[in-house]
Amino acid sequence: EVQLVESGGGLVQPGGSLKLSCVASGLTFRRYAMSWVRQAPGKGLEWVSVISVDGDITDHLDSVKGRFTISRDDSKNTLFLQMNSLRAEDTAIYYCAKGGTEVPDTRRFDNWGQGTLVTVSS
Amino acid sequence: DIQMTQSPSTLSASVGDRVTITCRASQSITNRLAWYQQKPGKAPKLLIYKASSLESGVPSRFSGSGSGTEFTLTISSLQPDDFATYYCQQYNSFPLIFGGGTKLEIK
Repeated sequence: EVQLVESGGGLVQPGGSLKLSCVASGLTFRRYAMSWVRQAPGKGLEWVSVISVDGDITDHLDSVKGRFTISRDDSKNTLFLQMNSLRAEDTAIYYCAKGGTEVPDTRRFDNWGQGTLVTVSS
Repeated sequence: DIQMTQSPSTLSASVGDRVTITCRASQSITNRLAWYQQKPGKAPKLLIYKASSLESGVPSRFSGSGSGTEFTLTISSLQPDDFATYYCQQYNSFPLIFGGGTKLEIK
């Protein structure tokens, strides 16, 4: 059974930084593209970032480009999201989501973590 | 960016009803559309991908159709476990965009 477990969320002041982690088990992690998807309180889903198999290709939502960086450590079956210059509008539950092995299936999500809450507030 | 418009935003229905949710894309996404179900406090769950392919383990009362710009999710006979919020997602191009969601409520 595939399991994705996020951690690293919390309360941070505007302008601050956080690094989220997502540990995967029950799969050959290095074979899959991975994404982060967020959900502001009471709102819908918003894709944030994607990283390809091998980690050589990444993409981010325009509103987080230059502030967020997605990365992966296949030796530790772990996905990361480094978030800098955080804003109030980044407040959300952040989900780690598994994509497929080949384009375009890498861009739809068949397994999700339980999410980690990031609150940006002074 | 591609825009995804879901309708209705709220749907009231009864157990046993047949319901349909619509998702429209602002430009063609061929068949690169997924549907998810989300219950309160839980992560989304993939139901349908490639517009009409049923994810493994998902009950056959769920079905998807459409291509190009117009898509539908149909639940043939609502069960109590189906009352949730449903989202479509285009994965034809970046940025990946979700529809605004349809909350399916008990009438």
